[in-house]
Amino acid sequence: DTEVTQTPKHLVMGMTNKKSLKCEQHMGHRAMYWYKQKAKKPPELMFVYSYEKLSINESVPSRFSPECPNSSLLNLHLHALQPEDSALYLCASSQEGGHEQFFGPGTRLTVL
Amino acid sequence: EDKVVQSPLSLVVHEGDTVTLNCSYEVTNFRSLLWYKQEKKAPTFLFMLTSSGIEKKSGRLSSILDKKELFSILNITATQTGDSAVYLCAVEDPLGEYGNKLVFGAGTILRVKS
Repeated sequence: DTEVTQTPKHLVMGMTNKKSLKCEQHMGHRAMYWYKQKAKKPPELMFVYSYEKLSINESVPSRFSPECPNSSLLNLHLHALQPEDSALYLCASSQEGGHEQFFGPGTRLTVL
Repeated sequence: EDKVVQSPLSLVVHEGDTVTLNCSYEVTNFRSLLWYKQEKKAPTFLFMLTSSGIEKKSGRLSSILDKKELFSILNITATQTGDSAVYLCAVEDPLGEYGNKLVFGAGTILRVKS
């Protein structure tokens, strides 16, 4: 299995809702990442998990809460989001010490 | 602050043309430079370059890195409409055992007309 999967593909939520994005990989990668991509902009790193521990938080607001339940899964819990948080959220993974990151198809999030 | 600059920002060509996309960078810690192609959704990996002057090639696509001048180019020969996409350049900032951080450029939007 050489892919990263993400669910849901699309999500529409209100500012008071709580929702979660899910990411899964079965390539044995030990580093996993969340990126946010606004329209016509490059992906911006949000979080890095290494060996299921949060290693990097790029000053992301606390309304985004990542979780890594095991080495194959990565969640992003969302609460009290703002309309400006609407974006494509991409998950990626890489080997320990690896260079290239493999990206999932993303979740297109719309906050009303 | 790490910076990756791509040019041109957008490009329209006709099928069969050859295009050259540019990427320059200024980063504190450099380990590799990567090229990705992004169509509707996820970026897909094209090339990883770590050494200067060694061309990487895959079909009609090729890329080379100049670590002295801090830039890379991506060439696409005999372009096809399926090459239409955003081409992203990213520089890898190693985080040691914590994985790596990719710093992306803004991308070049390529449109190939039939």
